[in-house]
Amino acid sequence: DTGVSQDPRHKITKRGQNVTFRCDPISEHNRLYWYRQTLGQGPEFLTYFQNEAQLEKSRLLSDRFSAERPKGSFSTLEIQRTEQGDSAMYLCASSGINEQFFGPGTRLTVL
Amino acid sequence: SQELEQSPQSLIVQEGKNLTINCTSSKTLYGLYWYKQKYGEGLIFLMMLQKGGEEKSHEKITAKLDEKKQQSSLHITASQPSHAGIYLCGADQGANNLFFGTGTRLTVIP
Repeated sequence: DTGVSQDPRHKITKRGQNVTFRCDPISEHNRLYWYRQTLGQGPEFLTYFQNEAQLEKSRLLSDRFSAERPKGSFSTLEIQRTEQGDSAMYLCASSGINEQFFGPGTRLTVL
Repeated sequence: SQELEQSPQSLIVQEGKNLTINCTSSKTLYGLYWYKQKYGEGLIFLMMLQKGGEEKSHEKITAKLDEKKQQSSLHITASQPSHAGIYLCGADQGANNLFFGTGTRLTVIP
């Protein structure tokens, strides 16, 4: 499968714990995006990378959130001190010219 | 800030019927993406439109971007149960950073 993959698919954690998600983009895509989606809403942009450089961050990305893409390939999104309001689907996407493909998402539930 | 309104919010059609979903932007669209999403899953890329008046088709789905580039429509011909899902339009904010509408939920009754 050469699509975008995400791991884990589901994560249940207790409030205050840290969580980390991984995204593996399509190999020839140099742009990688993170979005968050809550029930009944469209995805909301969080941040994006061009190769290893993080070029834009949304105001939604509080200081508890950090994303990295150290070698310009896979990316990680870490949420520290999780809150119940962080419960959502976290989607990763990668893009080529005139196309953007999404992974299956990581569903986070914070208890 | 940009606003994207999708209409209708939900749609129930009999199998075999045609349908249209609209996506209207408060600003000029420089790139408009259409996706389909099944509940709890990721987004499936359908097509991307960029030029005013552009029209693209994939199987029984056709999408158009109007000349003024502020509205796009998605048309499904002879709908099938496999077309059921949530259809999302996303506007390119620059560098393919997408701003999405809230989606149209399509149900196709066999």
